[in-house]
Amino acid sequence: AQKVTQAQTEISVVEKEDVTLDCVYETRDTTYYLFWYKQPPSGELVFLIRRNSFDEQNEISGRYSWNFQKSTSSFNFTITASQVVDSAVYFCALSEALQIQETSGSRLTFGEGTQLTVNP
Amino acid sequence: KAGVTQTPRYLIKTRGQQVTLSCSPISGHRSVSWYQQTPGQGLQFLFEYFSETQRNKGNFPGRFSGRQFSNSRSEMNVSTLELGDSALYLCASSLLGSYSYNEQFFGPGTRLTVL
Repeated sequence: AQKVTQAQTEISVVEKEDVTLDCVYETRDTTYYLFWYKQPPSGELVFLIRRNSFDEQNEISGRYSWNFQKSTSSFNFTITASQVVDSAVYFCALSEALQIQETSGSRLTFGEGTQLTVNP
Repeated sequence: KAGVTQTPRYLIKTRGQQVTLSCSPISGHRSVSWYQQTPGQGLQFLFEYFSETQRNKGNFPGRFSGRQFSNSRSEMNVSTLELGDSALYLCASSLLGSYSYNEQFFGPGTRLTVL
């Protein structure tokens, strides 16, 4: 069974602070994918990043960076110099790769989410 | 390119009624997945449809069902509504290729309230 744990329920920071959101996952699969999504108050989930289990390189995109460590089953997300617009609920998710004929499908297992509030 | 659209955006029903929610995926996307989001259970996978066939199903009772049409649009139905069915129902579409994974793009959701 797959499981994603986001131990931080709520985080509150002051603008320009750096903040790291933790994500720990469990899976029996050797091939899997990890994701981060952002959910602003409007409710729509916004895709941020995808990582597959064979690629442990860290990634940086602007103020966002991700640290994937297979040895500890963690996929942490850091926002540098946070801004008020970063306030949202952030979800980490895991997907196994289901091979069905010539197409692949999957379903996402989400963590509980971390409510990030950035205060001015 | 238009994103994933869901209708209606808000819905109020009473216990025992049934409801149908609609999802139109991004043009060209063939897979549609449905998720339920509640404060208590978080985001949970309901089912996935691909080429009008249900390929994957979460752990929900049979009151929850869905279907996909030839144009990839999808509907989900909940019969005999219970108070606990109050939730945000999110639809996601993806463009599936051979042995590759594609991101799921989510719609704005339908907020269902059961009274």
